[in-house]
Amino acid sequence: NAGVMQNPRHLVRRRGQEARLRCSPMKGHSHVYWYRQLPEEGLKFMVYLQKENIIDESGMPKERFSAEFPKEGPSILRIQQVVRGDSAAYFCASSPSSGRAGEQFFGPGTRLTVL
Amino acid sequence: DQQVKQNSPSLSVQEGRISILNCDYTNSMFDYFLWYKKYPAEGPTFLISISSIKDKNEDGRFTVFLNKSAKHLSLHIVPSQPGDSAVYFCAASAPGGSQGNLIFGKGTKLSVKP
Repeated sequence: NAGVMQNPRHLVRRRGQEARLRCSPMKGHSHVYWYRQLPEEGLKFMVYLQKENIIDESGMPKERFSAEFPKEGPSILRIQQVVRGDSAAYFCASSPSSGRAGEQFFGPGTRLTVL
Repeated sequence: DQQVKQNSPSLSVQEGRISILNCDYTNSMFDYFLWYKKYPAEGPTFLISISSIKDKNEDGRFTVFLNKSAKHLSLHIVPSQPGDSAVYFCAASAPGGSQGNLIFGKGTKLSVKP
């Protein structure tokens, strides 16, 4: 049973380009969460999605960031017109619909570097 | 304003001794607390959790204690092993106990010396 998959593991973009980060949840998990970790910081919640629905996007920056979890395929975190401050590790987590409250299973992360 | 605080960025312990990692929180509505362990270049791995209706939860070498009046929890690892060397994050579940977002501390880097 594969864990949470994220790709790419490393992504380099120049300022102004777009970054697309993918996350495939664990088999049987219908809840996906995205977190961002800046250097020397803890993980900061960005968005919580279920299939085709955004449940909570209170942690998402108002501009340039969007997320989706389509009926088929992985969840996508999209960052448009990236800036240097977007450089961070982006972690995806998933949980089953009937899982223990709060317990989330994390992927290995995508390390985004903006030049 | 940090709702979950881990005030010790690092901790060094001798193999075989006890490791105690501390975490403080400010929101009395938090109802579920978790500890995650993270190795470099990997995602966090769930370690142990505790509901706010309990004051202790034990799993093998790992025990989490919750003091609600002090808004403080701690993770005890005994005996500590070199493989325990990692960054440990304390996290709290958002009010309502839903499967919504987790609020993380900044982490404590544990080094267990052989």
